[in-house]
Amino acid sequence: GAVVSQHPSRVICKSGTSVKIECRSLDFQATTMFWYRQFPKQSLMLMATSNEGSKATYEQGVEKDKFLINHASLTLSTLTVTSAHPEDSSFYICSARAPGSKETQYFGPGTRLLVL
Amino acid sequence: SQQGEEDPQALSIQEGENATMNCSYKTSINNLQWYRQNSGRGLVHLILIRSNEREKHSGRLRVTLDTSKKSSSLLITASRAADTASYFCATVYGGATNKLIFGTGTLLAVQP
Repeated sequence: GAVVSQHPSRVICKSGTSVKIECRSLDFQATTMFWYRQFPKQSLMLMATSNEGSKATYEQGVEKDKFLINHASLTLSTLTVTSAHPEDSSFYICSARAPGSKETQYFGPGTRLLVL
Repeated sequence: SQQGEEDPQALSIQEGENATMNCSYKTSINNLQWYRQNSGRGLVHLILIRSNEREKHSGRLRVTLDTSKKSSSLLITASRAADTASYFCATVYGGATNKLIFGTGTLLAVQP
């Protein structure tokens, strides 16, 4: 099946710094990617929908200036957590819509962010 | 919040037993999907059932959907230790983006 990768898998940073997370579709083109956030032992919460060549669509309550999303190519979307704080520590997961399907998504392995 | 709820939150069974997880959602849907997540990993798509379907099978998985009650169940038969994971239902709403809205999840532990 289609593969979605994320990099890095883990990152530890100091408070106030910015962190960039990459999401790549390895063997297919993805015009739409999604970014989720998951707190320990909780469900995934959709943060934003990333559309290639256009601005991302953010869910209610998600600060677009805090979580910058860029989808510059058909295989890469990036999420930048700007001026990170300890409360931004979380598991961030991206997904890409499966080729030829509006309904199924392929998920990346996730990125664990710890802000000290 | 449109997020659905799942029960039980946690389920512990012995290998060989069947595991049943339930999911309830709030609004009309196009389809409902079940995903599996191993600890600290990404999600794997298991099965999709459309709003006009009532039951679907895939290997040891059986999914039912009752749109009148806005609920779905996932049955894993003859469970194995490797089935230990979190299981999430996700509903797809209409619109251009067809976003997935995840339920709260069930943590399944299968004891060998």
